[in-house]
Amino acid sequence: QQQVKQSPQSLIVQKGGISIINCAYENTAFDYFPWYQQFPGKGPALLIAIRPDVSEKKEGRFTISFNKSAKQFSLHIMDSQPGDSATYFCAANRDDKIIFGKGTRLHILP
Amino acid sequence: NAGVMQNPRHLVRRRGQEARLRCSPMKGHSHVYWYRQLPEEGLKFMVYLQKENIIDESGMPKERFSAEFPKEGPSILRIQQVVRGDSAAYFCASSQQGEGATEAFFGQGTRLTVV
Repeated sequence: QQQVKQSPQSLIVQKGGISIINCAYENTAFDYFPWYQQFPGKGPALLIAIRPDVSEKKEGRFTISFNKSAKQFSLHIMDSQPGDSATYFCAANRDDKIIFGKGTRLHILP
Repeated sequence: NAGVMQNPRHLVRRRGQEARLRCSPMKGHSHVYWYRQLPEEGLKFMVYLQKENIIDESGMPKERFSAEFPKEGPSILRIQQVVRGDSAAYFCASSQQGEGATEAFFGQGTRLTVV
């Protein structure tokens, strides 16, 4: 049973465009929703995170939108740059266990 | 403040050998998580440990895999009698338990290749 569903699996965006990655979760006990960024050969690094009592969080070009009633959240990358090309994982925390989505491979065309 | 340290970065083992993967959490962190990442796939939870305690091992295969986090020293993920299917990247993460401290920080991973 996949507790966190992520889409799309891969995404190609032109430089300067908006990259959007979506996630949905099932368990309402999740109380923290981080996004991780992973470059090839590296470990995942925390990018931005949100709690369910907030509908949106913005940090620079990165924004999380959170819809508690729909149990969905998404990552928006504004003005996407080639350096943003990486794999992005959404996640949900419950009881100190982090459940990851399967990841989205993002490629930004120069 | 050093990050999460994993070693070795790369490990090659023949089928049937044992693999030992080490993880030193960030200073002050008392919680360790192990994840496995297969090529082209996401991160799969294996085990969550606190010092001297296994809290959740629901993601660990029933046989050949074990993990520990002793009072002193790094956390160890041990895979006995490795098979080709064990080839993967194994990531360790650590966190500091406390109010709102739910961020986990990952190491660079150990890439295990079974030949």
